[in-house]
Amino acid sequence: AQKITQTQPGMFVQEKEAVTLDCTYDTSDPSYGLFWYKQPSSGEMIFLIYQGSYDQQNATEGRYSLNFQKARKSANLVISASQLGDSAMYFCAMREGLSSTGNQFYFGTGTSLTVIP
Amino acid sequence: DGGITQSPKYLFRKEGQNVTLSCEQNLNHDAMYWYRQDPGQGLRLIYYSQIVNDFQKGDIAEGYSVSREKKESFPLTVTSAQKNPTAFYLCASSIDPDEWYEQYFGPGTRLTVT
Repeated sequence: AQKITQTQPGMFVQEKEAVTLDCTYDTSDPSYGLFWYKQPSSGEMIFLIYQGSYDQQNATEGRYSLNFQKARKSANLVISASQLGDSAMYFCAMREGLSSTGNQFYFGTGTSLTVIP
Repeated sequence: DGGITQSPKYLFRKEGQNVTLSCEQNLNHDAMYWYRQDPGQGLRLIYYSQIVNDFQKGDIAEGYSVSREKKESFPLTVTSAQKNPTAFYLCASSIDPDEWYEQYFGPGTRLTVT
C-alpha cells in the first residue's frame, strides 16, 4: 500500500486566491511526522511545513498552513493568497516513528500547481 | 553559507560505464540520503546513512553503491548493473536522525546514460 497518496496530478489557482493540495497517508505507527516540500522547475526541494502526529494545533508557516485531520489520515496543504512564484510541484512526505527501522521519508507523487495571473 | 552541493548539475555517460555523483554538506548534519526522481514521479530512496562508515539500503538500492568515509560527504556510484540509470538524483541531509527534523536538499544531478 502507498504510504503517501496525492490524488491531484495538477491544480490551477487564480493569483491571490487560496488553494488546497490534498495528501492522505497510511501508517499504523502512532508517532509520525508529515512534511510538505516545494519543487520549482530548477529541481531543488524546498521545505515548507511540518506537522507532528501529536501536535494539537495545525501547523502554519506564513502563507502555508497544514490542515491536519488525524482520524481521516489527511494532511492537506493550504496556500493562501497565491503568487506567481508558487507555481511548482508540491510533495507531501511522511516519516514514521523514530524507533521504526528505516529512518525513511516516504514521498507522494506530487501535485503540479499553476498560478494564473 | 551552509548547504548541500551536488556536482555536476548535468552528467552524461555511455551505457556500461560506472559514474559517481558527488554530494557534500557543510551543515554538520549526521544523516544523509540519496533519492532518485523520474519524470512525473515522487522521490524514491536509494541509500541513506545516519553516521560515518554506516549506511542502509533504501527501496531501490540495486545497481547503486555508496560510501560514507566523512561526515560531510556521501558519494553515490551508479554502476553498470543499474538497468535504467537516466534520472534526476537528489541528495539530502538532516540534522539528527533521532529527532523530527526536515531534510535539506541539494540542487540535484541530472544523469543521462545513452
